[in-house]
Amino acid sequence: DTGVSQNPRHKITKRGQNVTFRCDPISEHNRLYWYRQTLGQGPEFLTYFQNEAQLEKSRLLSDRFSAERPKGSFSTLEIQRTEQGDSAMYLCASSLAGEDTGELFFGEGSRLTVL
Amino acid sequence: RKEVEQDPGPFNVPEGATVAFNCTYSNSASQSFFWYRQDCRKEPKLLMSVYSSGNEDGRFTAQLNRASQYISLLIRDSKLSDSATYLCVVEDSSYKLIFGSGTRLLVRP
Repeated sequence: DTGVSQNPRHKITKRGQNVTFRCDPISEHNRLYWYRQTLGQGPEFLTYFQNEAQLEKSRLLSDRFSAERPKGSFSTLEIQRTEQGDSAMYLCASSLAGEDTGELFFGEGSRLTVL
Repeated sequence: RKEVEQDPGPFNVPEGATVAFNCTYSNSASQSFFWYRQDCRKEPKLLMSVYSSGNEDGRFTAQLNRASQYISLLIRDSKLSDSATYLCVVEDSSYKLIFGSGTRLLVRP
């Protein structure tokens, strides 16, 4: 399967713990996006990369969230000192810059539950 | 005010019905517009782009009114398999996609 891969698919953690999610985009895609989705809402933009450069980060994202894409391939999203309000589905998507089709290819997501 | 607003529904329609969804966006500098479809517990997938001249893909027709900042999606001859959440999506000037909250469609036999 050459689609976007995310892991872990599910993570249950206690409040205050740190968690890290990984995303492997489609191999030739140079743009990588992180979104967060809660029940009944659409995906909410968190941040995105073009190659290894983080081009934008949502103002809504607190300092407890950090994302990296060190070699322009896979990306990690870390949440420090988790809070119950962080419980959500974290979606990764990738696309190819220059192909202005508006098509983001999403992974199946990583579901976080903070107890 | 949300950047992209949609009626959450649900729209509950019989098979064969025609149903229309509307969406408004707040940023007049928005560049491109799309409809995505999201099935229950699945990831969103691109349904179609939306052009100023209007565009059609089989039973689906999308239209854009830039002056009113309004986007629509029309589904004709609804099928059971059309049951899903339809997300209105706007691309801003920095190439990120902004999603609406989605409109849920239920097609009943």
